[in-house]
Amino acid sequence: SQTIHQWPATLVQPVGSPLSLECTVEGTSNPNLYWYRQAAGRGLQLLFYSVGIGQISSEVPQNLSASRPQDRQFILSSKKLLLSDSGFYLCAWSLDQGYEQYFGPGTRLTVT
Amino acid sequence: GNSVTQMEGPVTLSEEAFLTINCTYTATGYPSLFWYVQYPGEGLQLLLKATKADDKGSNKGFEATYRKETTSFHLEKGSVQVSDSAVYFCALQLRGSNYKLTFGKGTLLTVNP
Repeated sequence: SQTIHQWPATLVQPVGSPLSLECTVEGTSNPNLYWYRQAAGRGLQLLFYSVGIGQISSEVPQNLSASRPQDRQFILSSKKLLLSDSGFYLCAWSLDQGYEQYFGPGTRLTVT
Repeated sequence: GNSVTQMEGPVTLSEEAFLTINCTYTATGYPSLFWYVQYPGEGLQLLLKATKADDKGSNKGFEATYRKETTSFHLEKGSVQVSDSAVYFCALQLRGSNYKLTFGKGTLLTVNP
């Protein structure tokens, strides 16, 4: 069966510090991968998606970036965090031919 | 563009009450429709889905019918439980869009004993 992991689960970082969030998927090959952000009191916003190694599409211009160094690894990064980057970050995967997206447990980021 | 509109919450019900959470959509094409549930402090879980008009998705006592004529996918449950307290998200997905999901803003449901 497939599982998706995210870490860390919670993170508190000062403004201007770097960020690296990691997501890995087990039990499947060549998944589509997604990063979403859920800000307090708001819905989910798609940030990035990837259909293969090294292939990243950005949905929203921002100071975040994403990378996919391996087939089942998806990383969300920032060189300098802003207060507005605070939120709940969710990674998801789907099969290339499928419809459902399966979500990880999320990382709660607080920028102080 | 594509969008999903959900009824604004929060919704507060007593246990065993009937639940309806309204969801309507706008899409260029014929989307698949989903309801996801997010329990406190957790990620999202797929609750049910429908891929074409008149399909009914169901799971854990929840149901939703894909109504093309009214572009709606309302979530219903006949008798809610305290354990159903969560945030519910309606979402759509179009083929050829790399299966990106477009979500509504979510509806917080609180069920009191």
